Amino acid sequence: QQPVQSPQAVILREGEDAVINCSSSKALYSVHWYRQKHGEAPVFLMILLKGGEQKGHEKISASFNEKKQQSSLYLTASQLSYSGTYFCGIPERNDKIIFGKGTRLHILP
Amino acid sequence: DGGITQSPKYLFRKEGQNVTLSCEQNLNHDAMYWYRQDPGQGLRLIYYSQIVNDFQKGDIAEGYSVSREKKESFPLTVTSAQKNPTAFYLCASKTDRATGELFFGEGSRLTVL
Repeated sequence: QQPVQSPQAVILREGEDAVINCSSSKALYSVHWYRQKHGEAPVFLMILLKGGEQKGHEKISASFNEKKQQSSLYLTASQLSYSGTYFCGIPERNDKIIFGKGTRLHILP
Repeated sequence: DGGITQSPKYLFRKEGQNVTLSCEQNLNHDAMYWYRQDPGQGLRLIYYSQIVNDFQKGDIAEGYSVSREKKESFPLTVTSAQKNPTAFYLCASKTDRATGELFFGEGSRLTVL
């Protein structure tokens, strides 16, 4: 079952903050976050692990609440380059990774 | 440079024809994946493979077939049984570590006329 992402879409002005949420009906052990620009492949942002460990490549923060079975991605002081569609991915058994429907983020100058 | 190569990038086919999309990786990753992307639907898993000569169905496997004869290759065949094959198809791979991230190819856009 796909994780549920909210909101579906966000429009911000450059410099504003955004929060993207991802909820799962199943127990979470880790959460992946990716960003996809129009016409391009999704690019890895971050993995959150049970126990609080975070693994990522960009200056974007996130939280992982195992009890609530949800994760949130925090984009602070957004830049034009942050525009795109953000996906959370939930690993299930045997390397199976299921993605949400995505959150479209549009940053205005 | 290491990466994932999908081909062709664009493909047009007539209804009723089988189509095979290529996916090759030189990252030495064990696991490979095929996702389908439609507007507003996110990334939906078609098939995935953790090791050579083994693969599992994802959530929307009907009408598709795959093979994994070599570690670096994971081709996807869209058969005539797939009722709505027009879509953007993404191939990905990852290491066998539990914390490994997915690396995606550039995608193949299939249009069935």
